[in-house]
Amino acid sequence: GEDVEQSLFLSVREGDSSVINCTYTDSSSTYLYWYKQEPGAGLQLLTYIFSNMDMKQDQRLTVLLNKKDKHLSLRIADTQTGDSAIYFCAEGLYGNNRLAFGKGNQVVVIP
Amino acid sequence: EAGVAQSPRYKIIEKRQSVAFWCNPISGHATLYWYQQILGQGPKLLIQFQNNGVVDDSQLPKDRFSAERLKGVDSTLKIQPAKLEDSAVYLCASSGSLAGIVDEQYFGPGTRLTVT
Repeated sequence: GEDVEQSLFLSVREGDSSVINCTYTDSSSTYLYWYKQEPGAGLQLLTYIFSNMDMKQDQRLTVLLNKKDKHLSLRIADTQTGDSAIYFCAEGLYGNNRLAFGKGNQVVVIP
Repeated sequence: EAGVAQSPRYKIIEKRQSVAFWCNPISGHATLYWYQQILGQGPKLLIQFQNNGVVDDSQLPKDRFSAERLKGVDSTLKIQPAKLEDSAVYLCASSGSLAGIVDEQYFGPGTRLTVT
């Protein structure tokens, strides 16, 4: 079954890098996603990585995938105050759009 | 392009009452999802529609929850009767293509339900 674990809270100074971690259990997952949720808003897809990739870079975002340990991380470079939000990782299966979300990491950026 | 619309944004009801939520997906999106997000947790899929047909409702508590998407556009989610543990944010999302490819789900702002 699908079970996604995330740590809860991260505080980071503006301009520093922040790293959010996630572990998942379903080895058949095809895609792994990072979503951002700002207060009072729905979720916004930030980036995703296909399960046969190790790394993906998208502007300030770097996703690392360790398939052996089922570990996913999101690095945000030059963190800005607008990056303050809750970040969810999610896993999905090829052929099924159903997503399993983790509990989320709250990131607070200190000016 | 207009986003996913949901109403109401907030609802407070007493336990055992009924409540309904409405969602209008992005125009042209065939797939519509309802998620339940309990405070401090990630969203959990309740039901997924492809046009007006149900694709997945395995996690929908069917004794009290129902959903429909009669014309393959708007959708309503109903809870009858509500329990205290139904207090959550109910998120609607839509996507534009069939399963099998990376397909971004666009989320609405959600309806925050409080059951007292």
